[in-house]
Amino acid sequence: KAGVTQTPRYLIKTRGQQVTLSCSPISGHRSVSWYQQTPGQGLQFLFEYFSETQRNKGNFPGRFSGRQFSNSRSEMNVSTLELGDSALYLCASSLRGNSYEQYFGPGTRLTVT
Amino acid sequence: GQQLNQNPQSMFIQEGEDVSMNCTSSSIFNTWLWYKQDPGEGPVLLIALYKAGELTSNGRLTAQFGITRKDSFLNISASIPSDVGIYFCAGQLTQGGKLIFGQGTELSVKP
Repeated sequence: KAGVTQTPRYLIKTRGQQVTLSCSPISGHRSVSWYQQTPGQGLQFLFEYFSETQRNKGNFPGRFSGRQFSNSRSEMNVSTLELGDSALYLCASSLRGNSYEQYFGPGTRLTVT
Repeated sequence: GQQLNQNPQSMFIQEGEDVSMNCTSSSIFNTWLWYKQDPGEGPVLLIALYKAGELTSNGRLTAQFGITRKDSFLNISASIPSDVGIYFCAGQLTQGGKLIFGQGTELSVKP
């Protein structure tokens, strides 16, 4: 069974631009969570989607948004990029919303210049 | 917000040695998970724990869900060079709640 895939793997953007990241969960998984990983802050939870509905949300500004499609694929959008948004963005899927055996993708490395 | 204190932050050991790391919190957790992350990759799930006192093994790895539900431990026996990486604990305060991650333990193994 294929694992979680994320595209693109690497991205360079300029301050003020916006970016969309994509995540395809493991086949059959209905829950997708997004995390931001930085050396200083570690792994920080952004949000979780289950059956196209946002179930949980972390403490990030409204510039960070997401959505989930009917096939469980998810996208994350960051508008008006700031230098501090440079990070590894990780997506994780799990079978059910209450199952926290989350399986991570390889991440998207975003660099904001 | 809620925090998990993961210790130690880094470890330098000789191949063949055993390793122990832990996560503690002032809050009671419903679930504990342990992950390993290699450079440039996403974390890989090693062990999941769901009940207080539970002891679970995965090969040379053994993890325990503390009796107080405020801590968890991971042991690696007879370490090998491929054990190198960053180990994260993660906890869930309530069923269906978000996962909270520790800061990670960076493990280095000298052949």
